[in-house]
Amino acid sequence: DARVTQTPRHKVTEMGQEVTMRCQPILGHNTVFWYRQTMMQGLELLAYFRNRAPLDDSGMPKDRFSAEMPDATLATLKIQPSEPRDSAVYFCASGPGLAGVQETQYFGPGTRLLVL
Amino acid sequence: AQSVTQLGSHVSVSEGALVLLRCNYSSSVPPYLFWYVQYPNQGLQLLLKYTSAATLVKGINGFEAEFKKSETSFHLTKPSAHMSDAAEYFCAVGYSSASKIIFGSGTRLSIRP
Repeated sequence: DARVTQTPRHKVTEMGQEVTMRCQPILGHNTVFWYRQTMMQGLELLAYFRNRAPLDDSGMPKDRFSAEMPDATLATLKIQPSEPRDSAVYFCASGPGLAGVQETQYFGPGTRLLVL
Repeated sequence: AQSVTQLGSHVSVSEGALVLLRCNYSSSVPPYLFWYVQYPNQGLQLLLKYTSAATLVKGINGFEAEFKKSETSFHLTKPSAHMSDAAEYFCAVGYSSASKIIFGSGTRLSIRP
């Protein structure tokens, strides 16, 4: 049963610290999305990649957030420095990349981040 | 610009009752429409999607949704609610020239015994 995996599942850190979240997309998927979910803002798209190249990161605060795909099996989302307002659940999703916007996105279990 | 509105942030029904979750979209071009479900402490999972084929779409777990262009709606229904249906449900919209979908704010479904 192929699944998207995310690590860590939970992270508590202090303001100003660097946070790195990792995602392993489903093998063979070439589209990767990063979302942030909060009670106030709901589900927000931060960035997405196709074939490891960033296609849209307009939803991501550029001064502190960065997203990369070092290889086809790993996507990372970094926050440096972290702030309390970054506390949220961060989801990674992947897709086959064959059907454009109509394709199904497969979500990971999320990383629950708390910045004190 | 495309957008999606989910009416009712919280819906509560009795077990065995009809489930109706409302979604209206705004799009100037033919949309793709999705319903995703999120169980507690899990990621989202696709329930069903409309991609311009049949207007009545059947999904997993007995859910279905009907695309009504005249009403710009894509409401989600299930004839008989089960306790395991308690979750948050998200409607989403996309269209062919865009590269991403837009999610609604979600509706939390509670099931009363």
